[in-house]
Amino acid sequence: GESVGLHLPTLSVQEGDNSIINCAYSNSASDYFIWYKQESGKGPQFIIDIRSNMDKRQGQRVTVLLNKTVKHLSLQIAATQPGDSAVYFCAENRNQFYFGTGTSLTVIP
Amino acid sequence: SQTIHQWPATLVQPVGSPLSLECTVEGTSNPNLYWYRQAAGRGLQLLFYSVGIGQISSEVPQNLSASRPQDRQFILSSKKLLLSDSGFYLCAWSFPFTRKYYGYTFGSGTRLTVV
Repeated sequence: GESVGLHLPTLSVQEGDNSIINCAYSNSASDYFIWYKQESGKGPQFIIDIRSNMDKRQGQRVTVLLNKTVKHLSLQIAATQPGDSAVYFCAENRNQFYFGTGTSLTVIP
Repeated sequence: SQTIHQWPATLVQPVGSPLSLECTVEGTSNPNLYWYRQAAGRGLQLLFYSVGIGQISSEVPQNLSASRPQDRQFILSSKKLLLSDSGFYLCAWSFPFTRKYYGYTFGSGTRLTVV
């Protein structure tokens, strides 16, 4: 759903492990979803998207899974690297985008 | 290709002073434009969006205002800043709503500290 300023949850993973970041979206009418990555002091950047007619989409080291039944979106990062440390936001679209609260990922070397 | 410019990158302003943040987009016409605020360790809060010149929708009542004097220019203003206005301000653009399946592209942000 739309962020109302809640504090970000955090996730710590060991370098080389896989990361899974979860997001619950609010509206079954949403038909397009994006994951963004925001590094400290920078604007969010597009990582990967998925339309509602799909349940999985893969990119380079990243996979997005969509479960419309339970309105759940996840981002999987394979072989997590220190450069993956950032805040990750999911966004759902119904005319405009609504952003989740974000998850702060810390990669431990 | 499209680019978005946002400035300044950082700003320290005294309480009660005015504010003007500017955002411009290149390489596209009639974009939707957005201003977001992000407090430290928190999510994105939509402040304003615009679908055309002179058209502004406000999402959160506050002492901030926005204007769109030109097609690809979006300005965030305040007449008198409050301490609570401190935060990270992000401008973003998107294609018009008629072009689905494209995301928002964000600027690099402005770190505003009100002292």
